Amino acid sequence: DGGITQSPKYLFRKEGQNVTLSCEQNLNHDAMYWYRQDPGQGLRLIYYSQIVNDFQKGDIAEGYSVSREKKESFPLTVTSAQKNPTAFYLCASSTRSSSGANVLTFGAGSRLTVL
Amino acid sequence: QKEVEQNSGPLSVPEGAIASLNCTYSDRGSQSFFWYRQYSGKSPELIMFIYSNGDKEDGRFTAQLNKASQYVSLLIRDSQPSDSATYLCAVMVSGTYKYIFGTGTRLKVLA
Repeated sequence: DGGITQSPKYLFRKEGQNVTLSCEQNLNHDAMYWYRQDPGQGLRLIYYSQIVNDFQKGDIAEGYSVSREKKESFPLTVTSAQKNPTAFYLCASSTRSSSGANVLTFGAGSRLTVL
Repeated sequence: QKEVEQNSGPLSVPEGAIASLNCTYSDRGSQSFFWYRQYSGKSPELIMFIYSNGDKEDGRFTAQLNKASQYVSLLIRDSQPSDSATYLCAVMVSGTYKYIFGTGTRLKVLA
């Protein structure tokens, strides 16, 4: 089955620790994204990448870092500099559909809780 | 800052009725518009996308786009309790591969 795999599904972290969230896709999509969702809020873009070895900051990149060494993988590191990291993290990828629109597909998400 | 606005709801409709969800956006150059459904605790799933003015129908769902008014809507006919979820409107920012999301409208379909 083609899709986007995020791991871990649940993660608990102590304050001051860095954590890395994994995102792997086998859809052969070029673009990949990380979003953050807080309770009752929409999705906010953290980082996105259109091609390997290149990525751009989104609207809330401070305290986060990413890498894109392979087309299939786009891990997100939540650093200790992120002041309020408890949230639901969503990885997504996109490709151009047969009708021409770039459709965004999501993984199942990773829920990070800082203790 | 590009923005996408949605009424947070909840929007309550009786089973079998038409639910109408609305979204406005600020980027006049945007070309692609998306509706996602998100159940509590789950990730968003695509319902429909639209990029031409007018209506696009898919089963019980109809997306409507009016670029002049910067307005996109989603109609759900014959609403079912299983349609109860949060509906997210998303816009692809012109000239980029960025997608901006609204905060979502929570829909409750009452049996």
